[in-house]
Order: sequence, then C-alpha cells, then structure tokens
Amino acid sequence: DTGVSQNPRHKITKRGQNVTFRCDPISEHNRLYWYRQTLGQGPEFLTYFQNEAQLEKSRLLSDRFSAERPKGSFSTLEIQRTEQGDSAMYLCASSFLAGQPQHFGDGTRLSIL
Amino acid sequence: EDQVTQSPEALRLQEGESSSLNCSYTVSGLRGLFWYRQDPGKGPEFLFTLYSAGEEKEKERLKATLTKKESFLHITAPKPEDSATYLCAVQAYSGGYQKVTFGTGTKLQVIP
Repeated sequence: DTGVSQNPRHKITKRGQNVTFRCDPISEHNRLYWYRQTLGQGPEFLTYFQNEAQLEKSRLLSDRFSAERPKGSFSTLEIQRTEQGDSAMYLCASSFLAGQPQHFGDGTRLSIL
Repeated sequence: EDQVTQSPEALRLQEGESSSLNCSYTVSGLRGLFWYRQDPGKGPEFLFTLYSAGEEKEKERLKATLTKKESFLHITAPKPEDSATYLCAVQAYSGGYQKVTFGTGTKLQVIP
C-alpha cells in the first residue's frame, strides 16, 4: 500500500537559504494539500491543489512560499530566504474527493540555524 | 471563523481505564468531522469520519460520536500502544473551498 511520501524527512539549513520539499500523493488522489505544524499545535492549512491547479492559499503563506504541482502528480513546496520562524514540520496530504478524509505523509521537519 | 477546541490537552490513564476525549466546534456548514491519531515524528493517521449528528463509528477500542456542537472519542480499556496525540478536524465550505481546520489535539498517555 503506497501512501503519501515526503522527501526529505529532515532539512537543516542556515537562515536566508532557499529550501524545497517534495510530496508524492497517493496515485489516484487528485487533491493535494500542504500544512505546517509546530510543536503542540494542530496542522495549519497552507495551500491546496486540485490536479495541477492551485485553488486556495492561506493568508499564512507569505510571498516567500511557493508551491507547484506540475502535471497533477507530485508537488513541491519552496521557501525562499528562510527565517527562524519557518522552523516547523511541513505536512502533505491527499484525498480523492472533496469531503473525503485526507491522508498524510510523515512530513519534512525543517530546522533553521 | 471556524474554531475547533479539544479537551483535555493531556490525559494520563492506567491501562484498562476507559475515558473520553472531547472536540467542540464552531463552524458554518459542517461537511465532515475527522479524527486522526498522531505519533511523535509522524504525520496524522486517519481514524474516523463523521458527517451528521447522531452518527457513530467504531474501530477496535475506539468509538467516535457526533452531536451538533461536539464530538467525543471514547477509548475503552486502553492499552499502552494507544498512547498518541489525537487530533480532531472539521471540514466546511469557505469561499468555494472545503477548508479543514484542526484542533490542537489531546496527548494521551496509557501507563501499563
């Protein structure tokens, strides 16, 4: 059973550097979501794709964040000019239909030095 | 704005001691309520979906129920392997998009 896959699992970088994360959703799922989770909090919505179209972005998502989903398959989340406050777990989830439960990957933990 | 509040924040149980976790929500146009389990360093693992008041779902020692204002996750005779953080999330329409809002979770520890 191939679930949602995220790479890398951990990323350590210096403040000001750019980072990119990858998410491979469950193959038949056309909806893909990115969340951010900090310690002791629930996941916070960042953005959402239906196939290759990015349909919703949270106000939390500053201009330094960009996400893509070319060809409606895998997705990437890039953070430019990283800041200390970007340290978090970045989670990807996918679902087949709206209203269906989202299935999560194990996340990428980002640490900013 | 949609709000999800989970209580208690943390719960410590002896093995076999049954209890309930609460998720209260304020949302316009509920489309679904989800329960997830999250282990340290892992992503949330889906447990249940509830769509309408009065609905109940069961899986092993867990039973989820839903009213118009809250949901309960009942844990019967828990085992140490049930130790995890349990997250509740609600899905509702927001500007044409079905937005999911998570609570902050209940951290459950089951002691042998």
